[in-house]
Amino acid sequence: GGIITQTPKFLIGQEGQKLTLKCQQNFNHDTMYWYRQDSGKGLRLIYYSITENDLQKGDLSEGYDASREKKSSFSLTVTSAQKNEMAVFLCASSIAGTSAETLYFGSGTRLTVL
Amino acid sequence: GDSVTQTEGQVALSEEDFLTIHCNYSASGYPTLFWYVQYPGEGPQLLFRASRDKEKGSSRGFEATYDKGTTSFHLRKASVQESDSAVYYCALSDTNAYKVIFGKGTHLHVLP
Repeated sequence: GGIITQTPKFLIGQEGQKLTLKCQQNFNHDTMYWYRQDSGKGLRLIYYSITENDLQKGDLSEGYDASREKKSSFSLTVTSAQKNEMAVFLCASSIAGTSAETLYFGSGTRLTVL
Repeated sequence: GDSVTQTEGQVALSEEDFLTIHCNYSASGYPTLFWYVQYPGEGPQLLFRASRDKEKGSSRGFEATYDKGTTSFHLRKASVQESDSAVYYCALSDTNAYKVIFGKGTHLHVLP
């Protein structure tokens, strides 16, 4: 088995601040994802990465940057935090290759912007 | 683009009640369909998947049948338990195989 570790678990920032969320996986999976979870809106894809150094934009990429410098890690940066923003950011990974792959999720980073 | 619609945002049941959570999808190709479950404080985890028309997925007493004719993948369980209280997400894999699209989720509350 493997595990996905997201750090930090809780992140409090100020309006306009640049904030970075980190994700590590030891599944040796090729593909990694960042999703944003808002109450009543489900999970929305921000960025995904098919392999090391690859980046693909999802439906919600505006206001975010991502980085995949190693196969095992995938970082997400909120470029300018919005006041009163509250959301959970979920990292996931999967084996590359087919459309039937399972996503394995971390337990999330909960962001609060004051 | 492809999409997933879950009709119920919240469902409240008593133990041993029958559960149905409706999921309809729209896709240009032939997607794989998934149900994920998320318990408090955890990330979503796969409940089961189905890849072909009429295929039934099942796990832990939950089941759903892929219906291409009605573009549906409704989740059912004959007798729910308090421990089933969680958020349930229906999802599909895009024609782009790396992209998984989720519904808005259904929060199930099971009362003892």
